[in-house]
Amino acid sequence: AQKVTQAQTEISVVEKEDVTLDCVYETRDTTYYLFWYKQPPSGELVFLIRRNSFDEQNEISGRYSWNFQKSTSSFNFTITASQVVDSAVYFCALSEAIQGAQKLVFGQGTRLTINP
Amino acid sequence: NAGVTQTPKFQVLKTGQSMTLQCAQDMNHEYMSWYRQDPGMGLRLIHYSVGAGITDQGEVPNGYNVSRSTTEDFPLRLLSAAPSQTSVYFCASSRDPRDAFFGQGTRLTVV
Repeated sequence: AQKVTQAQTEISVVEKEDVTLDCVYETRDTTYYLFWYKQPPSGELVFLIRRNSFDEQNEISGRYSWNFQKSTSSFNFTITASQVVDSAVYFCALSEAIQGAQKLVFGQGTRLTINP
Repeated sequence: NAGVTQTPKFQVLKTGQSMTLQCAQDMNHEYMSWYRQDPGMGLRLIHYSVGAGITDQGEVPNGYNVSRSTTEDFPLRLLSAAPSQTSVYFCASSRDPRDAFFGQGTRLTVV
């Protein structure tokens, strides 16, 4: 069975600090997709990134970067120079590929608080 | 995602009442699904659909029914609400089964 673990329940840092959110997953599939979503205090789910299991290149988008390591089954998310607007709950999720259905398995979420 | 519309945004039900959570999208997406979000548990899949007329159960389907008579709509029915169904419900849709774009959510309280 698939499983996603976000061991950090809550993280609190001061603005401008760098912060890394951990995500560890379990799957027996060789082809799968990993996601990060942001849930700000307003409650909606904002898609941040999708990576497939064959692409282990790190990705950077502005202050956000993602480190995918199959050897450790991890897909960690780093925010550089954090800002108060980054305060949110962040979810990591896993999806089997090519199963003809939209089925995501989510981690428990990490609540990130950026203090001014 | 502005293309996925959930109604209502908030709802309070009494135990035993029934209701339907609505989800509509106008993007001609084949794939739609319902999740519930509970504190400390992330989101869990309730039911999903791969197209009109085709639905299947997810991880936590008990107490919920769905149907998909059109591509645009995927309603979630609670036949007899229970306090354990107090949660935030999210509908998602996509053209590609690898994606999921979520609606704004419906906060349901069962008293």
